[in-house]
Amino acid sequence: QSALTQPPSASGSPGQSVTISCTGTSSDIGGYNYVSWYQQHPGKVPKLMIYEVSKRPSGVPDRFSGSKSGNTASLTVSGLQAEDEADYYCSSYAGFNNLVVFGGGTKLTVL
Amino acid sequence: EGHLVESGGGLVQPGGSLRLSCAASGFIFSHTYMSWVRQAPGKGLEWVGTIKQDGSETSYVDSVKGRFTISRDNAQDSLYLQMNSLRVEDTAVYYCVTESWYVIHSWGQGTLVTVSS
Repeated sequence: QSALTQPPSASGSPGQSVTISCTGTSSDIGGYNYVSWYQQHPGKVPKLMIYEVSKRPSGVPDRFSGSKSGNTASLTVSGLQAEDEADYYCSSYAGFNNLVVFGGGTKLTVL
Repeated sequence: EGHLVESGGGLVQPGGSLRLSCAASGFIFSHTYMSWVRQAPGKGLEWVGTIKQDGSETSYVDSVKGRFTISRDNAQDSLYLQMNSLRVEDTAVYYCVTESWYVIHSWGQGTLVTVSS
């Protein structure tokens, strides 16, 4: 299985918006609406931020939003805050035998 | 949310075996898909495999097929990962996670497996 493709880094100033992309294929992102996004601070366990493309778990600020177009999913963080600085990983369902595939991760820096 | 505690990690030589355990609490374990996810030092996340609620079905990433086996004991609320023929590239923190519709909701703290001679 091939990992989903994410940019290695992204950045923005406090208060700005930043969008992180996650590109797959028609066998994963493009074929299903099971895209999730996870946030991981250094030394910490990942945290679910978005599931099923655009749904937010309770407790996740509405500054975080997700979308999908074709084989590419996106995570947008609006009103950037210092605590948003972390690694972000996308994942997608990839079929019965492969189940779940992750992106390589994007390090978000708040300037 | 569930509480998950992994154990069994450590240093093992290439070609060796190791069995990881995960003790679950705070949710109905027997109703929950369970998975293992790993993260090599300084690297990204990789899904390792998943087991159905009753243990009747498992799925694995290609790189571990034939070497790793996921099992569960619903009477003991426990998940296991038997790892055989270990390779240097299997070195990672292994997380026990709860999964629902391909979404990971709860994570353990992880246990480090180091494969080195």
